[in-house]
Amino acid sequence: DIQMTQSPSSLSASVGDRVTITCRASQGIRSDLGWYQQKPGKAPKRLIYAASSLQSGVPSRFSGSGSGTDFTLTISSLQPEDFATYYCLQHNNYPYTFGQGTKLEIK
Amino acid sequence: EVQLVESGGGLAQPGRSLRLSCTASGFTFGDFAMSWFRQAPGKGLEWVGFIRSKAYGGTTEYAASLRGRITISRDDSRSSAYVQLNSLKTEDTGVYYCTRLRGLGTYTFDYWGQGTLITVSS
Repeated sequence: DIQMTQSPSSLSASVGDRVTITCRASQGIRSDLGWYQQKPGKAPKRLIYAASSLQSGVPSRFSGSGSGTDFTLTISSLQPEDFATYYCLQHNNYPYTFGQGTKLEIK
Repeated sequence: EVQLVESGGGLAQPGRSLRLSCTASGFTFGDFAMSWFRQAPGKGLEWVGFIRSKAYGGTTEYAASLRGRITISRDDSRSSAYVQLNSLKTEDTGVYYCTRLRGLGTYTFDYWGQGTLITVSS
């Protein structure tokens, strides 16, 4: 199985901060990775697909980069509605696997 | 508008079976594979399995931890996908989500249902 190591597991930040979350795959997954935001009691929402493509309707302050084994989600200027848990998901190989999640909290 | 609606959750006893449904609208259901994910209370997300479209044989892939207890099926005439989980265990408790996928980019897990909760308890 491909292990997705996501860091940090939690993060305290302020409105306006720039935030970076990383995922490292245990083997190369090309660009077969998405980033998801989940708020309590809600379904995950896709933010980024194919590692760096912005989902339609998602604010441009979200961006993704990387390919192979190292991937990054960046939020350029945190807004109050961005405080949530974020997951990466690889779909290069079965079983599809998630990172452990990053809980983004208000400082 | 694309919509996915899960149903069939509830309280189930250990050892029993449960079938969840996912009813789709707003897109050509038969053109898409359908996948299920789950999330135990307070935990992360886990892939459960998926079923390919009929164009790709309608075959299935499952998480190894569930193989032997799980069956994913589809009825394109009803725009619905199903997951049946047998020999339920308390660790099957959680919210189950369905999503769609086609290819490796734009349409990969782009829409999710609201989820349906299974509680396995005696």
